Amino acid sequence: GENVEQHPSTLSVQEGDSAVIKCTYSDSASNYFPWYKQELGKRPQLIIDIRSNVGEKKDQRIAVTLNKTAKHFSLHITETQPEDSAVYFCAAREGGNKLVFGAGTILRVKS
Amino acid sequence: GAVVSQHPSRVICKSGTSVKIECRSLDFQATTMFWYRQFPKQSLMLMATSNEGSKATYEQGVEKDKFLINHASLTLSTLTVTSAHPEDSSFYICSASDRFYGYTFGSGTRLTVV
Repeated sequence: GENVEQHPSTLSVQEGDSAVIKCTYSDSASNYFPWYKQELGKRPQLIIDIRSNVGEKKDQRIAVTLNKTAKHFSLHITETQPEDSAVYFCAAREGGNKLVFGAGTILRVKS
Repeated sequence: GAVVSQHPSRVICKSGTSVKIECRSLDFQATTMFWYRQFPKQSLMLMATSNEGSKATYEQGVEKDKFLINHASLTLSTLTVTSAHPEDSSFYICSASDRFYGYTFGSGTRLTVV
């Protein structure tokens, strides 16, 4: 089955700086890669996603890149703000429509 | 947009008792429901996948007789934790899937077994 690895586990940045979180996946058949933001005790919120036929997608301060050959995808947050502080999870959709999640990254934006 | 209502949000139960968690898709029909468990400071771990009207498919290591899943209709799925023990204390969250909305998560249930 699919295996998703996520790095780093924690990331501290200064307000206004950029943050990058990276994930790798193992199943070349995976075709959908969402990113979620989760605050303590809350449900994961989809912040951006990308499909395997696209290499990059951007939504305001958030962007995702996908390298299918290398089987890795990354989340880029620019101009970080304190409210960006949360846990971020990447995921990959494998056969059977299942989402397999990475281990998560705790992002702290220091003001 | 799509909404999945999950109840209860918090439950405390005594060891040995059973707890039922309910997820309803309010404005769409969920062809598939995924049930996850999340321990503190950990990721979401898929427990089982259920499709309406058929038996759930459990992930390796998840006891199907302990975690009973019922998906009787396209808008309702339930997870029953039977004979709960303290080690079952966790955050349980459902995710409904359909072709139009993708994945919609419930708000989660914090289960504490004492």
